[in-house]
Amino acid sequence: DAGVIQSPRHEVTEMGQEVTLRCKPISGHNSLFWYRQTMMRGLELLIYFNNNVPIDDSGMPEDRFSAKMPNASFSTLKIQPSEPRDSAVYFCASSLGTGGGDQPQHFGDGTRLSIL
Amino acid sequence: KQEVTQIPAALSVPEGENLVLNCSFTDSAIYNLQWFRQDPGKGLTSLLLIQSSQREQTSGRLNASLDKSSGRSTLYIAASQPGDSATYLCAVTSGTYKYIFGTGTRLKVLA
Repeated sequence: DAGVIQSPRHEVTEMGQEVTLRCKPISGHNSLFWYRQTMMRGLELLIYFNNNVPIDDSGMPEDRFSAKMPNASFSTLKIQPSEPRDSAVYFCASSLGTGGGDQPQHFGDGTRLSIL
Repeated sequence: KQEVTQIPAALSVPEGENLVLNCSFTDSAIYNLQWFRQDPGKGLTSLLLIQSSQREQTSGRLNASLDKSSGRSTLYIAASQPGDSATYLCAVTSGTYKYIFGTGTRLKVLA
């Protein structure tokens, strides 16, 4: 079975450009998470969707960050305009259930983002 | 505010050794605790999930224990192999979707 699929795997772009990260969750999973991982701050939850609806976006660092989930099989995380401090690895994860911690989260391989 | 700490930050052992990774958390009111493995350039793979009512979980050579009252969990790896080399993270949740992740232990098993 296919796991969580993220694209692109690597993205290098210049400051000020728009960046769009994509995620395809595991089929049948109804919870989706976007995380950011840095050396300084570790792994942080940015936003959580349940049944395609954003439930908690309190981890989104600034208004420059936005996320959408137009259907059960696709989500995007957009940064506009991008800044060097946004450089990190961004992970998407999905799980069954309501995200109440009863089911393990399944992670994609991440997008390594570098903003020059 | 929940904080999760993992000690040691890095560990290097010869192949075949049994080893223990530690995870501590400051708020004992957790719903479950999960251990993950992360290989370089990859995402996290769930290894074991322990509900707050459980004391331990086992999968193959891995055994995770949970002592909620003392805010501690250990991951025991038996007969370590070079393929076990990775970063191991623990994470806790209070019952919501929000996991708080530890800082990770980077393990290297030498052949």
